[in-house]
Amino acid sequence: GQNIDQPTEMTATEGAIVQINCTYQTSGFNGLFWYQQHAGEAPTFLSYNVLDGLEEKGRFSSFLSRSKGYSYLLLKELQMKDSASYLCAVRDPGSGYSTLTFGKGTMLLVSP
Amino acid sequence: DVKVTQSSRYLVKRTGEKVFLECVQDMDHENMFWYRQDPGLGLRLIYFSYDVKMKEKGDIPEGYSVSREKKERFSLILESASTNQTSMYLCASSWGWREWGSYNEQFFGPGTRLTVL
Repeated sequence: GQNIDQPTEMTATEGAIVQINCTYQTSGFNGLFWYQQHAGEAPTFLSYNVLDGLEEKGRFSSFLSRSKGYSYLLLKELQMKDSASYLCAVRDPGSGYSTLTFGKGTMLLVSP
Repeated sequence: DVKVTQSSRYLVKRTGEKVFLECVQDMDHENMFWYRQDPGLGLRLIYFSYDVKMKEKGDIPEGYSVSREKKERFSLILESASTNQTSMYLCASSWGWREWGSYNEQFFGPGTRLTVL
């Protein structure tokens, strides 16, 4: 089975840096995904980590430590439009079908 | 651009009605998925399909069935809708199995907010 934990809510100020953590306990591992979901909209893909280390994509970076079952999403130079829910998801190769198990999501509120 | 479309954005049905939610993707993806999303519970997988006419149960299949007669289309069926099936339903698609480490992310449709009265 899979267990994925992330904080329920976070707040930050425009222009600041915020780190959203995700811990997981899974029977197998074939990658960790981060998705962004604005209220009333579909989740959109942000990042993917399968090897340990940091992946950077503009203002967003994602880190993975497989030995610790830990990932974080780092958002720099926060903008108001970054207010959204951020979903951590783990892919389990055991299913053989590329299914994902999602955490409950972290609601990020960016204030002026 | 990958496009996943869902038949309705909002739907209101009565208890006991049979409900069809349709999803279409235009990227020739092998895999298609149905999730429901509820506050405090996150995204939960109902059913998925890895090929035409093939289906697998997800984590919460009770009360639902699915149909995939064509590769691009995946339908979710509520045989007899109940109030506890009021939820946001999200469809997604992705490529089938690729080599270890490939992205193969899921692409989501806009969602259908279903209310069962």
